[in-house]
Amino acid sequence: GESVGLHLPTLSVQEGDNSIINCAYSNSASDYFIWYKQESGKGPQFIIDIRSNMDKRQGQRVTVLLNKTVKHLSLQIAATQPGDSAVYFCAEIAAGNKLTFGGGTRVLVKP
Amino acid sequence: DTEVTQTPKHLVMGMTNKKSLKCEQHMGHRAMYWYKQKAKKPPELMFVYSYEKLSINESVPSRFSPECPNSSLLNLHLHALQPEDSALYLCASSPGQGDGYTFGSGTRLTVV
Repeated sequence: GESVGLHLPTLSVQEGDNSIINCAYSNSASDYFIWYKQESGKGPQFIIDIRSNMDKRQGQRVTVLLNKTVKHLSLQIAATQPGDSAVYFCAEIAAGNKLTFGGGTRVLVKP
Repeated sequence: DTEVTQTPKHLVMGMTNKKSLKCEQHMGHRAMYWYKQKAKKPPELMFVYSYEKLSINESVPSRFSPECPNSSLLNLHLHALQPEDSALYLCASSPGQGDGYTFGSGTRLTVV
C-alpha cells in the first residue's frame, strides 16, 4: 500500500501465518521490480526481484507476484516469523538505471 | 566484500557547517547512488553516478554536492544545510544498468 502523511500502512500478523503485502506501481515502462525489507536504523535489504517477462517468482519463504495489466505487485511471506517485522518497500526500475521506491508497509508479527 | 560502507553513521551539524558523507564499495560496481529518506517515507533518489560520471541529478539543491573520486568511492558534500534536510542518507551501488542494488546502512544526519 501507499504511505499517507506520517502513517505507514501496517499489517499485523500472527506468528506462523502467511503475510501478503501489496504495491501499486506507476510506470508501465518499468521492467524490473524489487522488494526490500528495512529494519529500524538500517538500510534497505534486498528480498526478491522479478522481471517484467515473469508473473511469479519464488524464493525462500517469499513469493513475488506481478500483474502488469493492473500494475500491481505483491509479496507473500510464508510462515511469518518475528524476524520478519520491518518496513517493506516495493521498487521499480525503468530506463536510466533509476530505482524508484513505492510507499512502504510496516509488518508487525505478533508472537 | 559484499557491502556498501557509509561513514559516519551519525552526524550533527550546524547550518553554517561544511561536512561530507562518505560511501565505499569494493564489489566492482560501476553505478553508485545517493538517496534521502525521511521518517516513515520511502527513500528518494538524489544522484546517480555511472562509470564515475554524474548521470542523474533529481533537481537536488546545490547545498548538496556529490563527488565520485573513483569507482569505489562516493562522497556527498554538505554546506549551509537547513533543519528540514535532517534525514537518513543512503548510499547504494549496482553492477551497472538495472539490477543488483546493494544499500549501505546510511548516515543519520541532524541539522541544528
